[in-house]
Amino acid sequence: DAMVIQNPRYQVTQFGKPVTLSCSQTLNHNVMYWYQQKSSQAPKLLFHYYDKDFNNEADTPDNFQSRRPNTSFCFLDIRSPGLGDAAMYLCATSTILETQYFGPGTRLLVL
Amino acid sequence: AQKITQTQPGMFVQEKEAVTLDCTYDTSDQSYGLFWYKQPSSGEMIFLIYQGSYDEQNATEGRYSLNFQKARKSANLVISASQLGDSAMYFCAMREAYSGNTPLVFGKGTRLSVIA
Repeated sequence: DAMVIQNPRYQVTQFGKPVTLSCSQTLNHNVMYWYQQKSSQAPKLLFHYYDKDFNNEADTPDNFQSRRPNTSFCFLDIRSPGLGDAAMYLCATSTILETQYFGPGTRLLVL
Repeated sequence: AQKITQTQPGMFVQEKEAVTLDCTYDTSDQSYGLFWYKQPSSGEMIFLIYQGSYDEQNATEGRYSLNFQKARKSANLVISASQLGDSAMYFCAMREAYSGNTPLVFGKGTRLSVIA
């Protein structure tokens, strides 16, 4: 019954080694979001897709990229992870005007 | 610009008691939506309750109710009959309701601890 699925749940990578986080949804929602959440902070929106239209937040570093090959899947690519990129990464989906539903998140550790 | 303020970094409540988590917001829009999410230590953000700016009645979902006072721009979450499993971080969030895919704006959260 999982509606928003994120894999992996935990990811360990090395400093500078590219990493990809994945998100899939069974809700057929047309909007998908990626948030970064550091310890004891609110989630921070990185970017979102409205269908195939990509919307990048102004302060999202270039190190972060995203792909949405189809309605169900969305990927977060971190090209050269730094120690400061260690965080929880949350994927969410919604239809227009509706509630955002979040996945369980991926905890990223950078060594 | 939209803004959400949660003034209580942490709250304690006795099991079976009710607790109110405060949230105030600031927006110049007439149409907006207010949300509460629960985030346990596992990290998942769980949607709890929604209130639209034009809704005249306070939203309720089981043990959760939203005390919406539009003139004061407050949207407090009330949890009745607290349970140990309610211990978590709680986030208040807002979104302009009629702007398509406008993202959520989150408050900084309140950590609730339920004591047996």
